[in-house]
Amino acid sequence: KNEVEQSPQNLTAQEGEFITINCSYSVGISALHWLQQHPGGGIVSLFMLSSGKKKHGRLIATINIQEKHSSLHITASHPRDSAVYICAVPTSGTYKYIFGTGTRLKVLA
Amino acid sequence: ETGVTQSPTHLIKTRGQQVTLRCSSQSGHNTVSWYQQALGQGPQFIFQYYREEENGRGNFPPRFSGLQFPNYSSELNVNALELDDSALYLCASRSGGPGANVLTFGAGSRLTVL
Repeated sequence: KNEVEQSPQNLTAQEGEFITINCSYSVGISALHWLQQHPGGGIVSLFMLSSGKKKHGRLIATINIQEKHSSLHITASHPRDSAVYICAVPTSGTYKYIFGTGTRLKVLA
Repeated sequence: ETGVTQSPTHLIKTRGQQVTLRCSSQSGHNTVSWYQQALGQGPQFIFQYYREEENGRGNFPPRFSGLQFPNYSSELNVNALELDDSALYLCASRSGGPGANVLTFGAGSRLTVL
């Protein structure tokens, strides 16, 4: 079992749909990152969460520390949201990040 | 200068050769970490440098080595390249030392080993 697991691995949605991507982890953390990776490779940090919920535009991220679970929601999805979404957690000592394998999202027009 | 810059963006090498990848970290960031991302996989931690010293390493052999310079830029060197080294190599920097959590990633260097 991976220390950071994401679901689903692949997701295809129609434009406008509400999307949820989940991340479960087994390592102790101080904060969890949600990252977005577009074709070509560059990674953009979307959120860093240590508790509760954060919102940025159409993106919402939540985390439940007790259940070791986080979700990334996209409201009113758009084709430009098509990307790989990755969650990453720092291990104790925080010098090593463990990444999920990513959720490949495709939003169709 | 803002952001993390990596070079080269793409390169092709043959088995047995050596490669050097470079990373200029975001201004004010003194911690740099390197990751290897194979196709379809999440990034895997290679190592981290803080104030010019390696202070954390993942499960990579010694032929993966690095340097951090006084201006906090960094290099990743890979010797005796193998086919499985073909991957996207990502550099991430952060401020405040190894325990800080604000990560900024570069766009990556895509290495193909033939």
